[in-house]
Amino acid sequence: NAGVTQTPKFQVLKTGQSMTLQCAQDMNHEYMSWYRQDPGMGLRLIHYSVGAGITDQGEVPNGYNVSRSTTEDFPLRLLSAAPSQTSVYFCASSYSTRQLAFFGQGTRLTVV
Amino acid sequence: AQSVTQLGSHVSVSEGALVLLRCNYSSSVPPYLFWYVQYPNQGLQLLLKYTSAATLVKGINGFEAEFKKSETSFHLTKPSAHMSDAAEYFCAVRNNNDMRFGAGTRLTVKP
Repeated sequence: NAGVTQTPKFQVLKTGQSMTLQCAQDMNHEYMSWYRQDPGMGLRLIHYSVGAGITDQGEVPNGYNVSRSTTEDFPLRLLSAAPSQTSVYFCASSYSTRQLAFFGQGTRLTVV
Repeated sequence: AQSVTQLGSHVSVSEGALVLLRCNYSSSVPPYLFWYVQYPNQGLQLLLKYTSAATLVKGINGFEAEFKKSETSFHLTKPSAHMSDAAEYFCAVRNNNDMRFGAGTRLTVKP
């Protein structure tokens, strides 16, 4: 099994550019989520989804959009990148909201 | 909303010494608690989880954690540190659809 796959691994954007971070899982998990990791702040939940067609906001949703058209994919979109969005982004998936989460390897994003 | 606090952003121990990483949580309902480890430039790996069964939870790599409701704590321990334990450790609390992480504790193991 590939588990949770994130692409790209690294990305540099200019302020104002848009991009999509991809996340795919092959475990038929219903629950998927996006976190950002910043030094001294741990991981903060951006958006999550409990199934195809259902998404909701987490702790820090501003500046990010998500959609869940299939069970496998949960892309994260930055509409207009800002330097404050420089971070490492992790996608995670789970069998359910109470089971352990499988994490991707992360996407390191720099906005200049 | 639930939250976790990890006491100590850096912990340094000697190889063979006890490892103790502290985590306190707040939750209005019985929580599900987790410890994760992150090695440099990698994603998070689950060490162990508490889901309201036994209060002493054993995980991988010799780690264990004890859920103490009266102290709202879920501290992570390992009797004897190994050099390979050097990493960052995150405590997390989850109920419903929301999972909150602590700020992390970086463990250094000295030879």
